[in-house]
Amino acid sequence: DTAVSQTPKYLVTQMGNDKSIKCEQNLGHDTMYWYKQDSKKFLKIMFSYNNKELIINETVPNRFSPKSPDKAHLNLHINSLELGDSAVYFCASSQTPEIRLDQPQHFGDGTRLSIL
Amino acid sequence: AQKITQTQPGMFVQEKEAVTLDCTYDTSDPSYGLFWYKQPSSGEMIFLIYQGSYDQQNATEGRYSLNFQKARKSANLVISASQLGDSAMYFCAMRDLGYSSASKIIFGSGTRLSIRP
Repeated sequence: DTAVSQTPKYLVTQMGNDKSIKCEQNLGHDTMYWYKQDSKKFLKIMFSYNNKELIINETVPNRFSPKSPDKAHLNLHINSLELGDSAVYFCASSQTPEIRLDQPQHFGDGTRLSIL
Repeated sequence: AQKITQTQPGMFVQEKEAVTLDCTYDTSDPSYGLFWYKQPSSGEMIFLIYQGSYDQQNATEGRYSLNFQKARKSANLVISASQLGDSAMYFCAMRDLGYSSASKIIFGSGTRLSIRP
């Protein structure tokens, strides 16, 4: 009965490769997010989707492309991976903030991406 | 612009003592919410407590309470009777309604809390 699940949990790959991280939520939320947590634990939002529509895109390189086939899924594809992409990537979901400001974001367990 | 500041990168506290983790924020929106999350060494993000900008009383959830001082723009987390399992990173976060841009949550830099037995 996992609420927000993302796969894989660990991803080790060579520089220059293309990889995807998948995320699914079964909470019935309208909004989903991708965050990047760097080695200093700083958590920064990358993208936000509401009902499959992109609403936040925070100065992320074009190599990162989110895709939301439906409101329960938000996948992240990364092209031409670079050393600086090494981080933990978190998927999260919540009710639409404008409707329920008090609703917390529910996070997946994170995907630890390591670039060799 | 939104901003969240946590000035304590790390704290050590004796087991069973109370601890206060500091958080100050800045926003120009009148409607906003403040959240605290816990991230243990296993890595998952756990929601702890919420305080709304219009809430008249400080939020409480079990051993967690929020010392909300709106005029000072601070939302400190208080953990009473700390336990070894409280050792973790703690993040303060804020969401506003996004009158000027899309609503989003921003996070502080975190405080690493270590509980001594």
